[in-house]
Amino acid sequence: QLQLQESGPGLVQPSETLSLTCSVSDDSLSKNRYYWGWIRQPPGKGLEWIGNIYYNGNTYYKASLKSRVTVSVDTSMKQLSLKLTSVTAADTAVYYCVRIVVPAAMSFDPWGQGTQVTVSS
Amino acid sequence: YVLTQPPSVSLAPGQTARMTCGGRNIESKSVHWYQQKPGRAPVLVVFDDSDRPSGIPDRFSGSNSGNTATLTISRVEAGDEADYYCQVWDSDSDVVFGGGTRLTVL
Repeated sequence: QLQLQESGPGLVQPSETLSLTCSVSDDSLSKNRYYWGWIRQPPGKGLEWIGNIYYNGNTYYKASLKSRVTVSVDTSMKQLSLKLTSVTAADTAVYYCVRIVVPAAMSFDPWGQGTQVTVSS
Repeated sequence: YVLTQPPSVSLAPGQTARMTCGGRNIESKSVHWYQQKPGRAPVLVVFDDSDRPSGIPDRFSGSNSGNTATLTISRVEAGDEADYYCQVWDSDSDVVFGGGTRLTVL
């Protein structure tokens, strides 16, 4: 069964760049029936979509984050990456990577366990 | 595109929980539902309006008509207590989540 594992620094300084990776346990990254995405959840709040990357390399980002976000894939390393520049306290959240299952109407399954990121000096 | 969910639903064990997700002409979209228990990652419980992933009990079902999609949990158990989020795709590339409904089993 596929497992996704996020990793990265738990604490980021304001104005710095947040960098996270998501390790994928199987060869799903190489298959065109799956896309990949990042979701975050601020403390005590709901789910917020950040962005997706498709099999052809096309990326799509939430409009309000587009100028600061980059999502990429390294199939040889079996990793999905997220970079978010110029972070503020508002970027404090649990960050999840997800697999997007194209044949299942583009639903998100599974989710990684999530990684807490705090933006603070 | 905006999805509206009631903040909370409370009921006793054994009852049927119906959680709604409102959106303009939502019936034209595929709706997915996720269950999130405290401190845990979300889990897909219904996809494409009414399909269940393997391993999800048949007590979980979904429907979608007009401007409202509904997640129904029959014979609610204490273990079903969680936040439930609906989700759709807008313009084929943007993802929209509802605000979530907290299910409390009394």
